[in-house]
Amino acid sequence: DAGVIQSPRHEVTEMGQEVTLRCKPISGHNSLFWYRQTMMRGLELLIYFNNNVPIDDSGMPEDRFSAKMPNASFSTLKIQPSEPRDSAVYFCASSLMDSPLHFGNGTRLTVT
Amino acid sequence: LAKTTQPISMDSYEGQEVNITCSHNNIATNDYITWYQQFPSQGPRFIIQGYKTKVTNEVASLFIPADRKSSTLSLPRVSLSDTAVYYCLVGDIGAYNTDKLIFGTGTRLQVFP
Repeated sequence: DAGVIQSPRHEVTEMGQEVTLRCKPISGHNSLFWYRQTMMRGLELLIYFNNNVPIDDSGMPEDRFSAKMPNASFSTLKIQPSEPRDSAVYFCASSLMDSPLHFGNGTRLTVT
Repeated sequence: LAKTTQPISMDSYEGQEVNITCSHNNIATNDYITWYQQFPSQGPRFIIQGYKTKVTNEVASLFIPADRKSSTLSLPRVSLSDTAVYYCLVGDIGAYNTDKLIFGTGTRLQVFP
């Protein structure tokens, strides 16, 4: 079991550029979560997928953010255009039914 | 809406037992209590989960009183490597209500030699 895999590990980009973060959940898990962590706001849930279907995206900050899960083994979180205030660590997590969340090691995004 | 309250920080010394309490007055009947540990530059990691009374695994124990309005994570004989942020999470992850997947501020545990 390789765990939840996120890429890239670090991303530095300029304001206005498009950023795509990637996540491969644990095989067999049917729920996927995107979180964002900053010093000021802590861990924030952005969006939650169940069986590849977005269930709740009320945590997505604004229309610049979008997430997709085209199949059970892959999800993306896209920010376009990116802004400096989007700088944070973005975590992906997956779970099976009511099992605990399994987190990846995150993508540290810096927008200059 | 289940909401948790934890101390912001705690200090301890190696070899001591550490107890971190979480308050969750609005816990619902189907809610479980789950604790996660987070080291710098890593995602949170599951420690222990329980519904009532006491749960013990190789890492920690979780004590839950009968009213379930609080819970205590107990770490026996901590070491320097236990320095981390500990989060208490209350919810039924099987449900679609994402309000119950909200992490609080966590407790930052610092272990000294």
